[in-house]
Amino acid sequence: QQQVKQSPQSLIVQKGGIPIINCAYENTAFDYFPWYQQFPGKGPALLIAIRPDVSEKKEGRFTISFNKSAKQFSLHIMDSQPGDSATYFCAASSWGDKIIFGKGTRLHILP
Amino acid sequence: AAGVIQSPRHLIKEKRETATLKCYPIPRHDTVYWYQQGPGQDPQFLISFYEKMQSDKGSIPDRFSAQQFSDYHSELNMSSLELGDSALYFCASSLGESTIYFGEGSWLTVV
Repeated sequence: QQQVKQSPQSLIVQKGGIPIINCAYENTAFDYFPWYQQFPGKGPALLIAIRPDVSEKKEGRFTISFNKSAKQFSLHIMDSQPGDSATYFCAASSWGDKIIFGKGTRLHILP
Repeated sequence: AAGVIQSPRHLIKEKRETATLKCYPIPRHDTVYWYQQGPGQDPQFLISFYEKMQSDKGSIPDRFSAQQFSDYHSELNMSSLELGDSALYFCASSLGESTIYFGEGSWLTVV
């Protein structure tokens, strides 16, 4: 049973567009929701993270929107660039516990 | 800033052989996690250690074992290797209830 469901599996967006990646979870004990960016052959790198006491967090061009009642959260990338092409994983954990990953979204930004 | 160091970066073994992967966490981090990522897959949690004691166990095969040493480095031992063990193995570390940081991974190829 996938504890963190992520969609879409792949996404192609024109440069400057706003890709949106969605995730949903079931376990209400989760209280930490990070997003990781992974380039081929590299380790996942923490991009941005949110706790459920806020509905939105923005860091540079990356924004997380969080809907606690719906148990959903999403990543928006503003003014996307070809260099943003990577696999993005949403994740969830209870603070300090192991991280459970979504299946990942392969994002390709067209130049 | 110091990151999580993994060695070796690449390893080729034959079926039924044994492999050992090493992980050096970020200095002063007390928790180490091991993940396995198959081609095109999301990282799957294997095992974790807190203060040199096993703290959680995931989908780690019985053929695999791990430990954390007094200097906080950790080793993942894999025996009777199978073709399906070919994957990218990540180590991650954290300090208590803080952000988890991943290493660059160790590529294991079983032939």
